[in-house]
Amino acid sequence: KNEVEQSPQNLTAQEGEFITINCSYSVGISALHWLQQHPGGGIVSLFMLSSGKKKHGRLIATINIQEKHSSLHITASHPRDSAVYICAVSTIRRNTGKLIFGQGTTLQVKP
Amino acid sequence: DAGVTQSPTHLIKTRGQQVTLRCSPKSGHDTVSWYQQALGQGPQFIFQYYEEEERQRGNFPDRFSGHQFPNYSSELNVNALLLGDSALYLCASSFPGTTAGNTIYFGEGSWLTVV
Repeated sequence: KNEVEQSPQNLTAQEGEFITINCSYSVGISALHWLQQHPGGGIVSLFMLSSGKKKHGRLIATINIQEKHSSLHITASHPRDSAVYICAVSTIRRNTGKLIFGQGTTLQVKP
Repeated sequence: DAGVTQSPTHLIKTRGQQVTLRCSPKSGHDTVSWYQQALGQGPQFIFQYYEEEERQRGNFPDRFSGHQFPNYSSELNVNALLLGDSALYLCASSFPGTTAGNTIYFGEGSWLTVV
């Protein structure tokens, strides 16, 4: 069993829909990251959280430390949101660089 | 402010050859981590460099080695290339030591194809 599990693996939505991607982990963490990867390969950090909730534009990320679970929500989805969304965790305090990644969720938003 | 830059972006090598990939971290970052991402998979941690030393290492053979220079840039070397080494190699930089944690920045990656 992977230490970081994401669901669903693939997701297709219509433009405007509310989207949720889930992440569960089985290790102790210092922080959880939500990342976005486009087909070209580059990865962009969306959120880093260790507790509670963060919001940036149409994106919302939440984490429940007790349940070892995080969710990424996209409101009013748009075709440009189509990408792979990856959950990753830092397990070492003050060391962001060593991350354990989930398998990613491939999101396609249709116009 | 330039982010993380990697070179080359694409390269093709033959089995048994050696390859060197390069990474310049984001300005002000002193920690560089390298990841291997096979097609359709999530990235796997190779190793991390801080203060010119390998600080953490993932489950990769000794054929994978690296180096960090005084200006914090880094190289990833892979010897005796195997077909299975074909992947996207990602470099990430961060600045440790802050209690609030810190955001990690990734480069665009180097696509390596071994034939």
